[in-house]
Amino acid sequence: QIVVTQEPSFSVSPGGTVTLTCGLSSGSVSSGHYPNWYQQTPGQAPRTLIYNTNTRSSGVPGRFSGSILGSKAALTITGAQADDESDYYCMLYIGSGIRVFGGGTKVTVL
Amino acid sequence: QVQLQESGPGLVKPSETLSLTCSVSGDSISNQWWSWVRQPPGKGLEWIGYIYYSGSTNYSPSLKSRVIMSVDTSKNQFSLKLNSVVAADTAVYYCARWYCDSHMCYHLDVWGKGTTVTVSS
Repeated sequence: QIVVTQEPSFSVSPGGTVTLTCGLSSGSVSSGHYPNWYQQTPGQAPRTLIYNTNTRSSGVPGRFSGSILGSKAALTITGAQADDESDYYCMLYIGSGIRVFGGGTKVTVL
Repeated sequence: QVQLQESGPGLVKPSETLSLTCSVSGDSISNQWWSWVRQPPGKGLEWIGYIYYSGSTNYSPSLKSRVIMSVDTSKNQFSLKLNSVVAADTAVYYCARWYCDSHMCYHLDVWGKGTTVTVSS
């Protein structure tokens, strides 16, 4: 069974930079996994930040960027703001039409 | 403005079937892909599967044996049935639309607000 891995939590200072990663239990993540990144605040539905590795969704601030770093997909927040405090989920396409979410990363801004 | 609204019973007994419907407004269900995603209390998101308006489906391997998705184009709705539910199926269930082009479906761009389903006797 394929598992998508994410850091459980991260803390960042206001104005700071943080990079979240999204990996696979077996193998490397590439653009062929079409990584998505979603942001979710408590009680709300997720919203897309990044899709297709590095394309920002409409209305998403430029401080969010996506990339492949080594063997993982990455979401970088540059110049973190208080309202970036959320849960962040990646989703990967693993083939045969199957999608898998990572376990999520809780980001605290303090 | 596209809106999705989940509906269905909030309480289902163990071993019974969970049935939810997603009503789409502001857009046609035709020529698009649609998904269900769930989130157990205090836990992460789980992709359940997706359905094309024509009825083509693909399900998560972990749920495949218990899931059926269907589409009703006349009502602009799609549905989820999950059989033989257990307590671990208790979750917020979201319906969502895929953003696709001719090559690929990339992300879930419109989500419903979610509906809570509790499995308990």
